[in-house]
Amino acid sequence: EAGVTQFPSHSVIEKGQTVTLRCDPISGHDNLYWYRRVMGKEIKFLLHFVKESKQDESGMPNNRFLAERTGGTYSTLKVQPAELEDSGVYFCASSQVTSTWAETQYFGPGTRLLVL
Amino acid sequence: GENVEQHPSTLSVQEGDSAVIKCTYSDSASNYFPWYKQELGKGPQLIIDIRSNVGEKKDQRIAVTLNKTAKHFSLHITETQPEDSAVYFCAASRRAAGNKLTFGGGTRVLVKP
Repeated sequence: EAGVTQFPSHSVIEKGQTVTLRCDPISGHDNLYWYRRVMGKEIKFLLHFVKESKQDESGMPNNRFLAERTGGTYSTLKVQPAELEDSGVYFCASSQVTSTWAETQYFGPGTRLLVL
Repeated sequence: GENVEQHPSTLSVQEGDSAVIKCTYSDSASNYFPWYKQELGKGPQLIIDIRSNVGEKKDQRIAVTLNKTAKHFSLHITETQPEDSAVYFCAASRRAAGNKLTFGGGTRVLVKP
């Protein structure tokens, strides 16, 4: 079974440009999360989808970030316009919806974004 | 919101020795505590987790303990091997909050042969 995939693996852009990150969750996983780790700091939650619906976007830094999950399959995270402080590693994770206490989240390899 | 503190930030051990990483959390409603291992260039990989109705869990050389009263949990790695070298993250979550993970700052573990 394929794991969570993310594209691109690396992206270097200039300040003011737009970048779109893509995440393909594990097939059948309705939960999809985006996280970010900026230089040397902890991994921080950005937002959570259940299927195509945004359940929680409390971690989104500002309105320059837009996440979508059309059709409840893959998700995109667009940053427009990018700023220097947006540099970091963006992780996507997915999990099944179950009735248990918590569902294991499986992480993708991340997209390393550098804004110059 | 939840806050997770992780210590130490770096840990160097001799191969064969044990490694212990400690985390504290602030939200008493948190009920799920996973540990992730991240190797260079890869995403975090779950190595063990524990739920709040359990005090200890073990999987081969890895064990996790949870003290709900003190709100802290620890990762224990015994008989460390060079391939255990990585960054380890603890995290906490609760179902009512959509299971979003709040991570500690990470511990860089180096196992010296």
